[in-house]
Amino acid sequence: EIVLTQSPGTLSLSPGERATLFCRASQNVRSNYLAWYQQKPGQPPRLLIYGASSRATGIPDRFSGSGSGTDFSLTISRLEPEDFAVYYCQQSGSSPQTFGQGTKMEIK
Amino acid sequence: QLQLQESGPGLVKPSETLSLTCSVSGGSISSGSFYWGWIRQPPGRGLEWIGSTYYSGSAYYNPSLKSRATISVDTSNNQFFLKLSSVTAADTAVYYCARHSPYPADDYGWGNWGQGTLLTVSS
Repeated sequence: EIVLTQSPGTLSLSPGERATLFCRASQNVRSNYLAWYQQKPGQPPRLLIYGASSRATGIPDRFSGSGSGTDFSLTISRLEPEDFAVYYCQQSGSSPQTFGQGTKMEIK
Repeated sequence: QLQLQESGPGLVKPSETLSLTCSVSGGSISSGSFYWGWIRQPPGRGLEWIGSTYYSGSAYYNPSLKSRATISVDTSNNQFFLKLSSVTAADTAVYYCARHSPYPADDYGWGNWGQGTLLTVSS
């Protein structure tokens, strides 16, 4: 099983700042089948990024993903108030598909 | 617009079998090559993939559940189901049903989710 480790656990930033979140895999993620999700309290996760760097339908261009192999990142270029949430990475290149433990982005 | 809605008992006793239903509207389970799955989230914790199925009925499971999970499909009623046997308090979680795109170049991920249903295991 591929273990995904996200860092930092919590990120405290202000609106307008740039955020970078990291996801490290215990093994290579095949074909870069790495996705990022955003989850707000009481809501299901929302797909942001797939294939490590492609934005899902309807996702603003301030969200971008990069990386390959075992190291991936999600960048939010300029934080909006609605971006403060928990973010999860997920790999589906190997079974069982797995999620990271999450990074909580909070308002500083 | 595709919508998924989970339904279930809310409370299950330890050692019993939980049964959840996902009702799909705004699209047919049997159209396209999408796969349908269950993902759970214990209170205050992260996400765990339980398993996935295709409309044909073939299913794939997370080995961590030690063969306790069974996912099935009813295409005539546009529903799919989760049964989890021998539940314990560790199975207390919000259970989500979701749809995954089959196309690596097109929103390849869990793009559609239900709102989730809380299932508590307690005597």
